[in-house]
Amino acid sequence: DAGVIQSPRHEVTEMGQEVTLRCKPISGHDYLFWYRQTMMRGLELLIYFNNNVPIDDSGMPEDRFSAKMPNASFSTLKIQPSEPRDSAVYFCASSPTGLFTKAFFGQGTRLTVV
Amino acid sequence: LAKTTQPISMDSYEGQEVNITCSHNNIATNDYITWYQQFPSQGPRFIIQGYKTKVTNEVASLFIPADRKSSTLSLPRVSLSDTAVYYCLVGPSGAGSYQLTFGKGTKLSVIP
Repeated sequence: DAGVIQSPRHEVTEMGQEVTLRCKPISGHDYLFWYRQTMMRGLELLIYFNNNVPIDDSGMPEDRFSAKMPNASFSTLKIQPSEPRDSAVYFCASSPTGLFTKAFFGQGTRLTVV
Repeated sequence: LAKTTQPISMDSYEGQEVNITCSHNNIATNDYITWYQQFPSQGPRFIIQGYKTKVTNEVASLFIPADRKSSTLSLPRVSLSDTAVYYCLVGPSGAGSYQLTFGKGTKLSVIP
């Protein structure tokens, strides 16, 4: 298995632009998570899905952020409009079953908003 | 979710055994202890998980005393490639628990 695949690996955009991050989880994994990592705040859970349904989005910072999972093999995290403070590394992770068991993380997308 | 406390950083020479301790005084009965490793520019990677006593796998050992208020991740004979940030997480294994709250972690630097 190729693991969790995220794209793009790097994204540089101007303030105010829409940004879409993409994730392909490991096949057969029922849970998908979006995390954001910064030096100041560390690794924060933004939202997670179970069987394509958003379960907890309490970590989503504000309405500018939205996430979708139209099917079991694809998820997007969208920021519109983007702001410089959104600059971070965004990770997608998936897990086969249960909770607090092994979660497999992607390589991350480094987002820079200028 | 139980709050965890671990050292911010540690240094070790190659070939030494490294022990990283995590305190979790308010651990709940159904909480598990899980450790992740993160290399620069990569996502965290699961290392080991345990509930009590000792767990060992090909990468590390996890020691959990009877009161479960702390745990120690043991890395045998570290090499330069073990330089990474190590996170201790504590939480239940049941539904609704998947916060996977990562703290600051412990930055381990292995010195030649």
